[in-house]
Amino acid sequence: SAVISQKPSRDICQRGTSLTIQCQVDSQVTMMFWYRQQPGQSLTLIATANQGSEATYESGFVIDKFPISRPNLTFSTLTVSNMSPEDSSIYLCSVEGGGGVYGYTFGSGTRLTVV
Amino acid sequence: GENVEQHPSTLSVQEGDSAVIKCTYSDSASNYFPWYKQELGKGPQLIIDIRSNVGEKKDQRIAVTLNKTAKHFSLHITETQPEDSAVYFCAATGGNEKLTFGTGTRLTIIP
Repeated sequence: SAVISQKPSRDICQRGTSLTIQCQVDSQVTMMFWYRQQPGQSLTLIATANQGSEATYESGFVIDKFPISRPNLTFSTLTVSNMSPEDSSIYLCSVEGGGGVYGYTFGSGTRLTVV
Repeated sequence: GENVEQHPSTLSVQEGDSAVIKCTYSDSASNYFPWYKQELGKGPQLIIDIRSNVGEKKDQRIAVTLNKTAKHFSLHITETQPEDSAVYFCAATGGNEKLTFGTGTRLTIIP
């Protein structure tokens, strides 16, 4: 399966600022996904990022708050903009396929704390 | 859209005993059902998955069963060990290729 490198692994940020999270995959993949996992909760899909097109956002998530880039088939970024304490969560990227194996692989996540 | 329910939310099992976690889904078009294990501070790790054309799949101590008619699938862990302690998530996806997750089960193995 694909190997995902996600950076940073954790950060503490001031409210009102923005943080960009990077996701690097070791193989080319068509679909990349960004999830949010609030403390003690399940995973909620933020958006689907396909190379060469605009990201598709799920209900409750908007591009102005969570802009996403997908410049090529191995890389994506998620920005959490104008942060508030409610944005404190784990943010995870995921890919479908990669490495010649079907399935969805997850990065190790970015633990974000907004103070 | 798809809705996945997962039970129980917490489960404590004596080491060596079996653990069973159950999920139900709503979308009859769903055809892929993975299970993930998430340890503290880590991302979810795929442990086993099953497709809708298969009723059961086994990998050593882990097995998954699927009942498409009833729209439910279950994770079975036999001969549990302390390292099995984690949060387990079921998920489902159909033609839209988006995973919908269950609410998670915190499994604790009692030595």
